This record gives sequence, structure tokens and C-alpha cells, in this order.
Amino acid sequence: LAKTTQPISMDSYEGQEVNITCSHNNIATNDYITWYQQFPSQGPRFIIQGYKTKVTNEVASLFIPADRKSSTLSLPRVSLSDTAVYYCLVVSYSGAGSYQLTFGKGTKLSVIP
Amino acid sequence: SAVISQKPSRDICQRGTSLTIQCQVDSQVTMMFWYRQQPGQSLTLIATANQGSEATYESGFVIDKFPISRPNLTFSTLTVSNMSPEDSSIYLCSALPYSSGEEDEQFFGPGTRLTVL
Repeated sequence: LAKTTQPISMDSYEGQEVNITCSHNNIATNDYITWYQQFPSQGPRFIIQGYKTKVTNEVASLFIPADRKSSTLSLPRVSLSDTAVYYCLVVSYSGAGSYQLTFGKGTKLSVIP
Repeated sequence: SAVISQKPSRDICQRGTSLTIQCQVDSQVTMMFWYRQQPGQSLTLIATANQGSEATYESGFVIDKFPISRPNLTFSTLTVSNMSPEDSSIYLCSALPYSSGEEDEQFFGPGTRLTVL
């Protein structure tokens, strides 16, 4: 089971790019990396998912080096509304609907005006 | 996508009693999961709710304590049995529309905040 490690908290000013790194040293060959955002009193919300190299969508980019032992979530030009907890999740899928889901402890991002 | 609702949104219960939490999805989904989240903490997977068969529990969670039902592709329940104050937590339901290992976007419900006195 892949264990994940991420910083407990980060601060950033509005308009800056924020990079949050997650370590998952024992990630298995078929595992995926997924990132979620959670606001207080709400369920987590999917941000982005990747297997290797770089993935970009309308809200974020995900960088995964060749060894896949870490991944970096990049949020461009953050705003106050990006203040939330960001979770790294390693998804192990072994077929026939069998999943192992390991959430990191989360990084609390505070965006400062 | 999938929209998920949970009932109740919160409850305060006496120790020794049981509470059943309902999770309703607005569309048919392949996989449904139940998580527990202590305030300020990360999510811990309790079990995978399997349609038409017994749930698959993670280490540290047992069926007698957390019985789960999933009668169809849009609905599941989690019961917290014989509650103690240590069961006070937020319980979250999630759904995966697809089960290919390639589109793993989970959709989460808003959670049920349980307080056991």
C-alpha cells in the first residue's frame, strides 16, 4: 500500500503560482496519482489525475518525474478562493473493481491578499 | 459526473445506539465507498460498498461495527453500530462512475457529522 507524504501547510500571496509536492516512494507500477481539494464542511473535489510526465487541465497541472516517487500539483495564479486543503491520493486498481485508496494527510494552503 | 446526497447531514447520538447513514447518487455508478474523517484530519477508507454482495472492509474496520448495504447502483447505507464517543467523526460517501482504473474521479457527498455523547 503506497504511503504518501505532503507538507502540512503552505502560504502564498494572491496571483502567485503554488506548487505542492507529495512523496509516494513505494508507488506500484499500475498506481495512479490523484489530487483533491477540500473546503471546510464539504466533501473533497477532484482536481487532476496522472500516471507519469505532465498533465494539465483548466485548473491545475500535475508533474510526475520518471521514477514516479513524487508528484507536484501546480496551481497557477492562486486567488483567495483557492484557500483549502489539498490531498494527494494514490489509487491502486487491481481489476474487477478492486481499489486501494490512500489519502495523504493533506496540505492546508492559505492564500494571502 | 455524479451528484451525491447524504442523510442525515448531522446527528447527535447516545452511546450504545446505532445510526444509519444514507447515500444517494443521481446516476448509476460502478463503485461506492465510505470514508471517515476526523475534524482537521485526512480521510480514511472504511470499505467499498459492492452492489449485490458483501462490502470489502479495510484493515481496522469490521462488518459487525460498520454494516453496509448497497441494494442497487445508486444507493448505499452505512450503519455505525453500538456507538461510543470514539466514533464521533465525519462520514463521507463517494462514488466512482467508472471502474477502468483510468478515470478515477471520485465524487464525494457532503458528509455526515456524527457526535456521540
